[in-house]
Amino acid sequence: ETGVTQSPTHLIKTRGQQVTLRCSSQSGHNTVSWYQQALGQGPQFIFQYYREEENGRGNFPPRFSGLQFPNYSSELNVNALELDDSALYLCASSLGGGYQETQYFGPGTRLLVL
Amino acid sequence: TQLLEQSPQFLSIQEGENLTVYCNSSSVFSSLQWYRQEPGEGPVLLVTVVTGGEVKKLKRLTFQFGDARKDSSLHITAAQPGDTGLYLCAGWDSGTYKYIFGTGTRLKVLA
Repeated sequence: ETGVTQSPTHLIKTRGQQVTLRCSSQSGHNTVSWYQQALGQGPQFIFQYYREEENGRGNFPPRFSGLQFPNYSSELNVNALELDDSALYLCASSLGGGYQETQYFGPGTRLLVL
Repeated sequence: TQLLEQSPQFLSIQEGENLTVYCNSSSVFSSLQWYRQEPGEGPVLLVTVVTGGEVKKLKRLTFQFGDARKDSSLHITAAQPGDTGLYLCAGWDSGTYKYIFGTGTRLKVLA
């Protein structure tokens, strides 16, 4: 059973650019959630995808968008990057949407916006 | 929006000491999770508490959920350097359908 994987591990972009981060969920899991973790803070919920549909969203602007594929892997897209978008982006997979299920986190993608 | 406040924010102790980390909210949570996160890694789930007043033990770690399900605590007995990390509480806000993490407690245990 493979765990949650994310790519790339590190990324450097400049302000105004667009970025796509990828996440492969744990085998058998149909739900992926994305989080942004700024340095020294707890993760902030961006959104959750359950069976390819958005299933809850945090306080992030529309330039943060996502996608879940039929194999339940997921992408996080961020347009018009700002300096404050520099953070660790975590994805977590679980079996079943909602809050009862245990989430398993990937190692994250560290994004630096210059 | 439900918020989870953790205290203390930072803690540096000697090996062998005991410590308690608190997670407080003004709102009721149906369950709370505790995670530990090490540098360069994602959070790893330690425990889920569901019932008010529940106490769960994981080796030297003791977790308690408040009777009113608004607060939780993590007590570590005889801390070891391997306990060093960022401890996070988290819970699902069923009203807004968001998963909320606490502000975090960064623990350093010195040998």
